[in-house]
Amino acid sequence: KAGVTQTPRYLIKTRGQQVTLSCSPISGHRSVSWYQQTPGQGLQFLFEYFSETQRNKGNFPGRFSGRQFSNSRSEMNVSTLELGDSALYLCASSLAGKITEAFFGQGTRLTVV
Amino acid sequence: DAKTTQPPSMDCAEGRAANLPCNHSTISGNEYVYWYRQIHSQGPQYIIHGLKNNETNEMASLIITEDRKSSTLILPHATLRDTAVYYCIVRVERDSWGKLQFGAGTQVVVTP
Repeated sequence: KAGVTQTPRYLIKTRGQQVTLSCSPISGHRSVSWYQQTPGQGLQFLFEYFSETQRNKGNFPGRFSGRQFSNSRSEMNVSTLELGDSALYLCASSLAGKITEAFFGQGTRLTVV
Repeated sequence: DAKTTQPPSMDCAEGRAANLPCNHSTISGNEYVYWYRQIHSQGPQYIIHGLKNNETNEMASLIITEDRKSSTLILPHATLRDTAVYYCIVRVERDSWGKLQFGAGTQVVVTP
């Protein structure tokens, strides 16, 4: 079956702009999580959605937001981009409510100039 | 969730077993040990997880000490494709289903 799909794969934005990233989970998966990966901070949890509701949120400013649609697809938005937002943004999906593993997408590489 | 300690890097010869240690001395009784790896420029990949018994799958074996304060991931016959950063994570399975707290991991380099 198809894996986790993230679009776009690469993105270049200018400081002050906003950006929307998309994640399509594995069919049947209802939990979607987002992570930011930078060389300095490593992999950091952003937020998790389950059945269109945010269940958990990491320690990121309010410029970072997300949502999940009824088909479990998720988007994350970053407003007023800063240079420090340049990172690999990873999405993971999982079957919620049982012992399982998370499946990650290839990520979106965002560069803010 | 309990924190983990891993060596920053290790080398392994191709075809030999790679033994990756992880210390989790503050692990609670209901916390599982998970291992993921991340090959360069890809998303992390699940390898294996366990609670207290040793586990084996097609990718690796997980050995957890009796006191559960440490564990070892064993790649039985390392290949060049196993070069990656390996993350040891402990988490309570029922809570925060999607939240994984990654540390710095161990950079494993498999050499010919």
